[in-house]
Amino acid sequence: AQTVTQSQPEMSVQEAETVTLSCTYDTSENNYYLFWYKQPPSRQMILVIRQEAYKQQNATENRFSVNFQKAAKSFSLKISDSQLGDTAMYFCAFRGAGTASKLTFGTGTRLQVTL
Amino acid sequence: DTGVSQDPRHKITKRGQNVTFRCDPISEHNRLYWYRQTLGQGPEFLTYFQNEAQLEKSRLLSDRFSAERPKGSFSTLEIQRTEQGDSAMYLCASSLVSGTANEKLFFGSGTQLSVL
Repeated sequence: AQTVTQSQPEMSVQEAETVTLSCTYDTSENNYYLFWYKQPPSRQMILVIRQEAYKQQNATENRFSVNFQKAAKSFSLKISDSQLGDTAMYFCAFRGAGTASKLTFGTGTRLQVTL
Repeated sequence: DTGVSQDPRHKITKRGQNVTFRCDPISEHNRLYWYRQTLGQGPEFLTYFQNEAQLEKSRLLSDRFSAERPKGSFSTLEIQRTEQGDSAMYLCASSLVSGTANEKLFFGSGTQLSVL
């Protein structure tokens, strides 16, 4: 079974600064997908970014980028130029390749962006 | 496209009662998922449908839980004889899968269940 670990329960960052959220995972699979989801107070999970394990290039989406280290089983999220609207819970998730979206989530990191 | 809708948003019930939640996926999405999220945890997979067929159920889904998607559109999740441990947020998600692995889930805002 896969496990996903987020060791930072809470993080705080000032507006316009950069913050990195950590995630490690454990799997015996070689092909898989990793995700970062954002859950604001509205409770709706929103996909932030995804990474295919077979791609060496780190995924980027505007102000969001990942540092994917396959050998170390690490998948961190960097948020640049933080905005107040980035305040939310952030969940790291794993999905095996060739399966439906049966995601395994971490316990989340609560990010607070301050003025 | 109004997104994934879940009803009700909140449900308070007494232990032992039955409850039913509804999820309306994005129109034409062929896959529908149910997840459960307890306080301080990430969501956990419960079950999913491809059209009207329920293809997989997690071990978390005890025999008190039943899910249906009768016409491949909306889905219902029923919990019989609720227990306090069932208190959680129940999330629904849908996706359109067309033979590739590039599946993107769209989540609803969940139904928060409190069992007293």
